[in-house]
Amino acid sequence: SAVISQKPSRDICQRGTSLTIQCQVDSQVTMMFWYRQQPGQSLTLIATANQGSEATYESGFVIDKFPISRPNLTFSTLTVSNMSPEDSSIYLCSVEDPQDGTYEQYFGPGTRLTVT
Amino acid sequence: QKEVEQDPGPLSVPEGAIVSLNCTYSNSAFQYFMWYRQYSRKGPELLMYTYSSGNKEDGRFTAQVDKSSKYISLFIRDSQPSDSATYLCAMSAGFQKLVFGTGTRLLVSP
Repeated sequence: SAVISQKPSRDICQRGTSLTIQCQVDSQVTMMFWYRQQPGQSLTLIATANQGSEATYESGFVIDKFPISRPNLTFSTLTVSNMSPEDSSIYLCSVEDPQDGTYEQYFGPGTRLTVT
Repeated sequence: QKEVEQDPGPLSVPEGAIVSLNCTYSNSAFQYFMWYRQYSRKGPELLMYTYSSGNKEDGRFTAQVDKSSKYISLFIRDSQPSDSATYLCAMSAGFQKLVFGTGTRLLVSP
């Protein structure tokens, strides 16, 4: 399975600022995903990021708030813009490994964000 | 009603016990079912992947899917303290989008 790293692992930010989270994969993957995991809640899909095209956002998430870049097949970034305390959460990227044609997704270690 | 329901626990068992973790779902289009294990301050780790109905076994872990009842289970035999974690069920109708349960926290005491 793919090995995924994220930077930063955690951060404390002030409201009104923005944070960019990086996701690096050790192999080329077509599909990358960004999730949010709020305390006591399910993982919620923010958007799907394909290389060379605009990200596809889920209901309740907009590009102005969560701009995503996908410059190549091993890297993606998620920016959390104009942050408020409600954005405090764990942000996770995942990839779908195309090698065996299944829909298995593998996750990075997450970025723990606290907004004060 | 949530698409996927999962008892949040915590579920406390002694070492060596058989653990049963369950999820129910409402969307009959789901065909792909996964169980993830998540240790504190770590990302989810894929444990089991099952397509459609039936059982799948991997070591001490058995995943069971009953599509007629919209019910999936994960059994852990001979549970160990290292199994203490949050277990998340996830499912998909295909096309990448996974829907997760809230997770069940498992505590295995020595």
